[in-house]
Amino acid sequence: DIQMTQSPSSVSASVGDRVTITCRASQGISSWLVWYQQKPGKAPELLIYAASSLQSGVPSRFSGSGSGTDFTLTISSLQPEDFATYYCQQANSFPRTFGQGTKVEIK
Amino acid sequence: EVQLVESGGALIQPGGSLRLSCAVSGFTVSDYYMSWVRQAPGKGLEWVSVIYAGGAAYYADSVKGRFTISRDISKNTLYLQMNSLRAEDTAVYYCAIDRRDDLVIWGQGTMVTVSS
Repeated sequence: DIQMTQSPSSVSASVGDRVTITCRASQGISSWLVWYQQKPGKAPELLIYAASSLQSGVPSRFSGSGSGTDFTLTISSLQPEDFATYYCQQANSFPRTFGQGTKVEIK
Repeated sequence: EVQLVESGGALIQPGGSLRLSCAVSGFTVSDYYMSWVRQAPGKGLEWVSVIYAGGAAYYADSVKGRFTISRDISKNTLYLQMNSLRAEDTAVYYCAIDRRDDLVIWGQGTMVTVSS
């Protein structure tokens, strides 16, 4: 199975800050990488697919990059509604696997 | 409007069986891949199973041989039959529309608790 490792596990940031979350795959997955946002008590929501494609309706302050084994999710200017947990997921092969999550908290 | 509504979650004893349902509206359940993902309390996401539009299904190793994914086109509903349940199966179970490489729309989830 492909292991997905996110860092950091949590980050404290202020509104307006630039936040970067990284995701590393245990083997190359090309661009088969997805990012989700999950708020407490809610289902996850799709943010980024194919490593860098923004899902319809997602604000442009979110961006994704990377290929192979190393990927990044960037929030260019953190907004109050962005405080949540973010997960990466590889779609290269079964079983699909998720990172352990990164919680973005208010500083 | 596309909507997914899960149901069937319950408190069940270890070794028991449960069937989860995911009622679909706004599209036909057989037109897309559909997946189940679960989340144990306070933990991360774990992919469970997918069913392709053509009917082929795949499972996580942790549930293979115990869980079965299926769908009923006449009821436009996705199912997850869960047998031989274990404490570690305790989780919120989500169904989702699967675009092969991402899960684009999710239901609100249904809670399964396996405990004596």
